[in-house]
Amino acid sequence: AQSVAQPEDQVNVAEGNPLTVKCTYSVSGNPYLFWYVQYPNRGLQFLLKYITGDNLVKGSYGFEAEFNKSQTSFHLKKPSALVSDSALYFCAVRDSWGKLQFGAGTQVVVTP
Amino acid sequence: DAGVIQSPRHEVTEMGQEVTLRCKPISGHDYLFWYRQTMMRGLELLIYFNNNVPIDDSGMPEDRFSAKMPNASFSTLKIQPSEPRDSAVYFCASSAKGQTSSYNEQFFGPGTRLTVL
Repeated sequence: AQSVAQPEDQVNVAEGNPLTVKCTYSVSGNPYLFWYVQYPNRGLQFLLKYITGDNLVKGSYGFEAEFNKSQTSFHLKKPSALVSDSALYFCAVRDSWGKLQFGAGTQVVVTP
Repeated sequence: DAGVIQSPRHEVTEMGQEVTLRCKPISGHDYLFWYRQTMMRGLELLIYFNNNVPIDDSGMPEDRFSAKMPNASFSTLKIQPSEPRDSAVYFCASSAKGQTSSYNEQFFGPGTRLTVL
């Protein structure tokens, strides 16, 4: 069965510093991976996805993610965090039936 | 496009009452998903439809929950009778057509916050 793990419940970073949110996955077959962000009292918003191709995927709002097959990781990154990036971030993997399996989420707190 | 529309945004009801949550997917999308989000269990997929047909309802907690999609532009999630443990935020999401539609991102609605007293 497919699954994702987000090992950190919360990530704290100062504005302007690099931001990394970790995600590891377990799949049988090729992984199809997604990152979503959830702002307070809002639905989830799509950030980026990895289906195939380049290991570095660029997405919305300056975010990118690096797919690493050997480490089974798909970490989300942003070179310079903004206070407005404070939100809940979810990693997800698509299973063979087309369903998304979400991680538990990582709360990102960016301080001025 | 207005995005995925859900109603009501908030619902407070008493235990034993019937609750109906509504969703209008993005026009042209052929997949529709219902999720539930709680602090304890995170984000759970309850059921999803493809071309208005339920494909997988294995996430539906029990017989008190039912979902329908009578047409491509409308779906309901019903809880009857409701219980306090059903209190959660319920999200509807849809994704687009295409040969690789199952790889396409899902667009989420704003959610319905349900409180069962």
